[in-house]
Amino acid sequence: DAGVIQSPRHEVTEMGQEVTLRCKPISGHDYLFWYRQTMMRGLELLIYFNNNVPIDDSGMPEDRFSAKMPNASFSTLKIQPSEPRDSAVYFCASTGPTSTDTQYFGPGTRLTVL
Amino acid sequence: QKEVEQDPGPLSVPEGAIVSLNCTYSNSAFQYFMWYRQYSRKGPELLMYTYSSGNKEDGRFTAQVDKSSKYISLFIRDSQPSDSATYLCAVPNQAGTALIFGKGTTLSVSS
Repeated sequence: DAGVIQSPRHEVTEMGQEVTLRCKPISGHDYLFWYRQTMMRGLELLIYFNNNVPIDDSGMPEDRFSAKMPNASFSTLKIQPSEPRDSAVYFCASTGPTSTDTQYFGPGTRLTVL
Repeated sequence: QKEVEQDPGPLSVPEGAIVSLNCTYSNSAFQYFMWYRQYSRKGPELLMYTYSSGNKEDGRFTAQVDKSSKYISLFIRDSQPSDSATYLCAVPNQAGTALIFGKGTTLSVSS
């Protein structure tokens, strides 16, 4: 298996632009997580899905953030409009059969908002 | 108080040193604990997990839990430059539905 795949690996955008991050989980994993990592706040859980259904989005910082999982092999995290304080590394992780099993992380997307 | 806290370091040691990495947690109901390792510009990966009942050893790595003081530790013996990474502790949240990560301790082992 190729592991969790994320794209793009790097994204540089200007404030106010829409940003879409993509994730392909490991096949067969029922859970998908989106995290954000910064030096100040560490690794923060934004939202997670079980069988494509959002279960807990309490970590989503604002309405500017939205996430979808249209099928078992694809998820997106969208920021609209983006702001400089959104600059961070965004990770996607997947696991199964329970949500607290070993999580397998993707390589992350390094987002810079100018 | 945060559910899990970790000193971010950085921690610098010479090759061959014994390293101790630590986290404190707030909820005595936590049953098991994980250590993830994150190399620069990579995603975290599971290194070890241990239940609250005691220690677990895997090669040069030992994970230890002290329930009385709510303290978890990761010991690295004979540290190597390849151990240079950020180490994050993780615990399940109170609902048992997701993991909570410490901020991570950055370790640098010099040859």
